[in-house]
Formats: sequence, C-alpha cells, structure tokens
Amino acid sequence: DVKVTQSSRYLVKRTGEKVFLECVQDMDHENMFWYRQDPGLGLRLIYFSYDVKMKEKGDIPEGYSVSREKKERFSLILESASTNQTSMYLCASSFERPQETQYFGPGTRLLVL
Amino acid sequence: GQNIDQPTEMTATEGAIVQINCTYQTSGFNGLFWYQQHAGEAPTFLSYNVLDGLEEKGRFSSFLSRSKGYSYLLLKELQMKDSASYLCALINQAGTALIFGKGTTLSVSS
Repeated sequence: DVKVTQSSRYLVKRTGEKVFLECVQDMDHENMFWYRQDPGLGLRLIYFSYDVKMKEKGDIPEGYSVSREKKERFSLILESASTNQTSMYLCASSFERPQETQYFGPGTRLLVL
Repeated sequence: GQNIDQPTEMTATEGAIVQINCTYQTSGFNGLFWYQQHAGEAPTFLSYNVLDGLEEKGRFSSFLSRSKGYSYLLLKELQMKDSASYLCALINQAGTALIFGKGTTLSVSS
C-alpha cells in the first residue's frame, strides 16, 4: 500500500513565524503536490514537484515556498505565517503524470494566531 | 482556463441511488477523476475517466461525456458510510496537475 505521511496533524503558530510542513511518501513516486483546503473553496494547488530539486507553481503559490532535496520528501515552507494561511494542508504523490492516481496524506490542520 | 461545477450539497436515504453531477469547461481535456473524502480524512481515489461512457466499479459508477463537458458519479444501494464529500477533478491543460471542483457533500440518512 502507498503511504503518504505528514509531519503533524495539528499545528498552532504565531503570525510572522516560519513554518515547515513535511511530507514523505514511501512508494518512489515521481510527483508530489501540496494543496490547501478551505470550506467553500475546495482543494487548491499550491506547488508541485515532478523530480528532485524541481518545483512548479500551482494556482496559489504566494506566501509559500517548497523544497524537494530527496525524492521521497517534499516540504512546504511558510516564510512568515499570516492568519489567512490558517487552513488544512494536504500533501499528495503520484507515480508519473497526473493520469496516475494521486495518493493523499492525512493532512495538517494549521492555525495561525 | 478551466472551470468545474458541482452541487454543494445533496441528501439521500439508505438503499437509494444518487447521482452527483459535475460539469466542466476546458480547452484541452486530459482526463477526469472522482475522489471521496470523509470528514477530517484525506481524499481517496474512486474513478478515472478519459473516454466517453460508463465505468462501473461495484456500487459506484462514473460516466463521462466529453462533448457535453459533463460527468456524473452514480452511487447505488447507499449506505450510511457513503456520507462524505465527493470531489470532481480535471487534469490541467499542461497535463501536470489536477484542478479540483469544490466538492459535493452527500448526507445519507436512515
């Protein structure tokens, strides 16, 4: 079974803090994705990566950066957290192109105070 | 650009059949997914359609009409555990990522 894990289920941070969300997959998948999910807005793509050290902006990259130093690990960084970044963050991975099924991690619920 | 529309909420009773519709606009079609997401959990894959027609998987079926920009997810013999959000998603025009609809929350009552 594919397993995608995220470093925290719940996180509380203060405005201005630097926040790291980590995602690890154990199936040697090429592609990894970061989404945020908000009520009434659905799942929105922040960044994705199709290879080590490669990254592409999604629909809402502002205020975020990412890092993929190893194939199995994809990190989302909030350089200076703001209250409007309070959300559920979901990581996903897929084997090759998006025609392949994406497997999601359990999510990190981030509250920025 | 791409746009996906789904009803926000639906209700149904146990044992019934429900159809969740998804309409979309895109200039380049690469495939359409349906995912299920229970409250507080991660989305899980249900189906993938790239050709017109009906794909059946047990109690769940998914239909696609590319000419009409339309898909539906059909759930038969509804069970309480089918209460969840159902997400329609398109592969983006670059073929690199998924664009999700806002999801349809289905409530199944006894």
